Amino acid sequence: QVQVVQSGGEVKKPGASVKVSCKASGYTFTSYGISWVRQAPGQGLEWMGWISGYNGNTNYAHKFQGRVTMTTDKSTRTTYMELRSLRSDDTAVYYCARDRICGDRACYWFDPWGQGTLVTVSS
Amino acid sequence: QSVVTQSPSASGTPGQRVTISCSGSSSNIGSNFVCWYQQLPGTAPKLLIYKNDQRPSGVPDRFSGSKSGTSASLAISGLRSEDEAVYYCVGWDDSLSGVVFGGGTKLTVL
Repeated sequence: QVQVVQSGGEVKKPGASVKVSCKASGYTFTSYGISWVRQAPGQGLEWMGWISGYNGNTNYAHKFQGRVTMTTDKSTRTTYMELRSLRSDDTAVYYCARDRICGDRACYWFDPWGQGTLVTVSS
Repeated sequence: QSVVTQSPSASGTPGQRVTISCSGSSSNIGSNFVCWYQQLPGTAPKLLIYKNDQRPSGVPDRFSGSKSGTSASLAISGLRSEDEAVYYCVGWDDSLSGVVFGGGTKLTVL
């Protein structure tokens, strides 16, 4: 079945980087993209960016530009999201989700979602 | 503060029909389609509606979506206790060149 499975939780110190992986299965990887969405404790959902599984093009939310990098490895069907210069307010559950390709950008048609990865930033 | 706004809460009794609204502007809902997601407590969100009014397979027809101008709505008929969740609308904002989520509406089934 179609699924995306994420790596496990991480604990990081302020100023460090974190890299979360998202492995896809059950569909043609290059026909879709992957979006990343995060959710701080008790808060709503926040879109971080998208990467095309076809050509690796990216589309980042303005808030994260310069601090996030999304990459994809077609051979392993795995997408990565690296967030740098972590702060305490980056503590959140990070989700990846299969997304469509709308032109060359995110389609926000997220289905399915990964199980989420809790990233805790604490000194 | 999101550019797409939702009422923070809504409620209904079992069997009732409830509507959750999402308000935006010409740069987002007014010019792009809307999707809706359901997030049950402690779980990842789930796609409920895509392209304004389309239901993925497996989503009950009790859930329906619509869009008019710069607003969109999610209607849930025959309300059930298991519908108690947070519902998010999502769109694309041309000015921000990015995906925007509404703040979410927490639905309580009384």
